[in-house]
Amino acid sequence: DVKVTQSSRYLVKRTGEKVFLECVQDMDHENMFWYRQDPGLGLRLIYFSYDVKMKEKGDIPEGYSVSREKKERFSLILESASTNQTSMYLCASRLRGGGPSTEAFFGQGTRLTVV
Amino acid sequence: GDSVTQMEGPVTLSEEAFLTINCTYTATGYPSLFWYVQYPGEGLQLLLKATKADDKGSNKGFEATYRKETTSFHLEKGSVQVSDSAVYFCALSAGPGGYNKLIFGAGTRLAVHP
Repeated sequence: DVKVTQSSRYLVKRTGEKVFLECVQDMDHENMFWYRQDPGLGLRLIYFSYDVKMKEKGDIPEGYSVSREKKERFSLILESASTNQTSMYLCASRLRGGGPSTEAFFGQGTRLTVV
Repeated sequence: GDSVTQMEGPVTLSEEAFLTINCTYTATGYPSLFWYVQYPGEGLQLLLKATKADDKGSNKGFEATYRKETTSFHLEKGSVQVSDSAVYFCALSAGPGGYNKLIFGAGTRLAVHP
């Protein structure tokens, strides 16, 4: 069974902390994505990566960075957490080269609260 | 840029009622279209997809038809069950220039009551 695993289901962090969200996939996919999900706004793309050490900004990259040192692992970093980053964060992976109809696989999400 | 618009929720139905969730899109290319579903406490999973005009995607009693002339991909089910209660996301994916990014609508929450 294919799997995308996010390291935490729930996190509570303080304002100004550096926060790491980890995502691991076991499907040997090249493409990995970080989205945030907010009510009424759907899923918004923060960053994506199409290969090891490669990254591209999505629609809302401000306040975030990412790291992809190994193919199976994609980390989202909040450099200095703020209350407006309280949200649900979803990681996804997708095979590259399969064309636009290729299915994306999602982790269960990390609900981050910044206090 | 490319975008997806879907009807606002929540949608509240009784069991065995007919469901329609509207979705329209804007895309410069020729996108693939998807419906993803998110059950409570879980991530998203693919429900169905269509890759070209007039294609019909179907799964678990849900259907959606790719209508290029109206740029729509409405989700329908003839008889909903309580277990269908979830959030439904319409999405599109364009060609290789975008590294196959998925662009999502805002989501529509469906609540089905016995």
